[in-house]
Amino acid sequence: TQLLEQSPQFLSIQEGENLTVYCNSSSVFSSLQWYRQEPGEGPVLLVTVVTGGEVKKLKRLTFQFGDARKDSSLHITAAQPGDTGLYLCAGARDNYGQNFVFGPGTRLSVLP
Amino acid sequence: ETGVTQTPRHLVMGMTNKKSLKCEQHLGHNAMYWYKQSAKKPLELMFVYNFKEQTENNSVPSRFSPECPNSSHLFLHLHTLQPEDSALYLCASSQDLGEYSPLHFGNGTRLTVT
Repeated sequence: TQLLEQSPQFLSIQEGENLTVYCNSSSVFSSLQWYRQEPGEGPVLLVTVVTGGEVKKLKRLTFQFGDARKDSSLHITAAQPGDTGLYLCAGARDNYGQNFVFGPGTRLSVLP
Repeated sequence: ETGVTQTPRHLVMGMTNKKSLKCEQHLGHNAMYWYKQSAKKPLELMFVYNFKEQTENNSVPSRFSPECPNSSHLFLHLHTLQPEDSALYLCASSQDLGEYSPLHFGNGTRLTVT
């Protein structure tokens, strides 16, 4: 069974601080996605990373896929209260999207 | 109205009741999914439909019965549920089953089984 672990489980920081959250597995994934889920809403896709070592930037968010495609990180610069939410990573087990494996998520709270 | 819409947003039901969850997508996608999100577990895939045909049943108990009459609508029929079935049930759609087709989620139905 391929499992994704995410750390930390909870993170509470002040506005303006930087943070990094991690997504790890012992298995290789063909691609990996990051989602953000705000309270009372469904997850919304932030990014898909495909190539080992790939780095993608989305405004203040930087995503990296590990060289071995077993792990990924999300770095947020100068966090804002609007970044508050549950960050989920999801790995594709093969070429079919129906086989995504989700991690348990990191719950981020950014205090003003 | 755009995106993926789920109704009802909240549902409380007894263990002997029968109820249905509804999902509708206005994105022209071909694939639809049911996921279960519990407080203590990662998102769990329950069912997948592609062009109205079920392609995956992820060992879900028979008290959950999906129905997909067309590519835009998906139902989850519930009967004789258990308290441990209380969770957020999320519907999602994607253009196709490829891993590069992102999932578009609805806002979920918060189910409480008493």
